[in-house]
Amino acid sequence: EIVLTQSPGTLSLSPGDRATLSCRASQSVSGNYLAWYQQKPGQAPRLLISEASNRATGIPDRFSGSGSGRDFTLTISRLEPEDFAMFYCQQYGSSPQITFGQGTRLDIK
Amino acid sequence: QVQLQESGPGLVRPSQTLSLSCTVSGDPITDKHYYWSWIRQRPDKGLEWIANFYYSGNSHYNPSLKSRVTISGDTSKNQFTLKLSSVTAADTAVYFCARAIFSGTTMVVAGMWFDPWGQGALVTVST
Repeated sequence: EIVLTQSPGTLSLSPGDRATLSCRASQSVSGNYLAWYQQKPGQAPRLLISEASNRATGIPDRFSGSGSGRDFTLTISRLEPEDFAMFYCQQYGSSPQITFGQGTRLDIK
Repeated sequence: QVQLQESGPGLVRPSQTLSLSCTVSGDPITDKHYYWSWIRQRPDKGLEWIANFYYSGNSHYNPSLKSRVTISGDTSKNQFTLKLSSVTAADTAVYFCARAIFSGTTMVVAGMWFDPWGQGALVTVST
């Protein structure tokens, strides 16, 4: 099973700041099939990024994903008030074995 | 626009079987481009994938839950169902259904991600 470790656990920033969230895999993610989700309290997760860098339909271009192999990054270029939430990464491995990271909480400073 | 809605009992007794349905609107569960999935989130914890269903019968299960999980579909109702047997308090969670987009082929899936998700259903296991 591939374990995903997200860092930092909590990130405190202000609107207008740039946010950089990390997701590190315990082994290489095949095909770079790594996705990112945003979850607000009481809501379901929302897909932001698939295949490491493909923005989902309707997602603003201030959200971007990058990375390959074991290291992946979600960047929010300029934070809006509605961006503060929990963020999860997710990978697909053979068998299959689908795993999520433990999450990064993005708080308003 | 695809929408998913979970339904089922909110309280299940220990050792019983949890049963949840997901009704899909806007897309048939026989759509060859998608799997259909269950994912849960235990209190103050992260997300845990449970199982995937494909209309032709090719299903996938989380190895840690496989012995207790059954996933199936009802094309006449455009629903798919999760059954989790022998539940304990550790199975208390919000259960989400989701459409799973995949790459590769249906028999050899290379990658998978989830969009959209249902709103979630809280299931409490308690006496």
